[in-house]
Amino acid sequence: DAGVTQSPTHLIKTRGQQVTLRCSPKSGHDTVSWYQQALGQGPQFIFQYYEEEERQRGNFPDRFSGHQFPNYSSELNVNALLLGDSALYLCASSPGLRTGYEQYFGPGTRLTVT
Amino acid sequence: AQSVTQLDSHVSVSEGTPVLLRCNYSSSYSPSLFWYVQHPNKGLQLLLKYTSAATLVKGINGFEAEFKKSETSFHLTKPSAHMSDAAEYFCVVTDAILTGGGNKLTFGTGTQLKVEL
Repeated sequence: DAGVTQSPTHLIKTRGQQVTLRCSPKSGHDTVSWYQQALGQGPQFIFQYYEEEERQRGNFPDRFSGHQFPNYSSELNVNALLLGDSALYLCASSPGLRTGYEQYFGPGTRLTVT
Repeated sequence: AQSVTQLDSHVSVSEGTPVLLRCNYSSSYSPSLFWYVQHPNKGLQLLLKYTSAATLVKGINGFEAEFKKSETSFHLTKPSAHMSDAAEYFCVVTDAILTGGGNKLTFGTGTQLKVEL
């Protein structure tokens, strides 16, 4: 049973460019969340998708957008990249929105903006 | 708003001695609390979770945590540290009442555990 997978593993972009990160949830999970983890800090919630809709959003600008597909996989898009967007981007999946459901995390995508 | 405070950014113990990682939370009536571990260059792994059942929660690798509502604490303990326990540990809270449904996780800033011979 494959866990949460993310691609690519590493990415280097230039300021002002756009980037798309991808996530496939654990089998049987329909809810996907994205988190940003800056170096030396705890992950920060970006947004959560369920039934192809954004259900919750953290304190991130509109440059951060996402999408969930019918097969529950998800994309995170970041436009007009800033140096401060350099971070580890984590995708997590769960079998629904209930707070008791634990979230399973992927290995992350390391984004470096130069 | 929901939040967690991890009281120590770094903890150092000797192998075979007890581990205590401290966490205080701020939430409403019925939070769910978790401890996750992150080894270098690895993803986050769930150690244990509290979801309003027994207040003493047992997790993987000998870790356990006790939910104390009166103290708003959820400290992580282990009787005997092993070298493989060296990692970053995150205390996490979520609360459906505050988030309006959904299970947005709010992480603490992390505690780096060092285990020495």
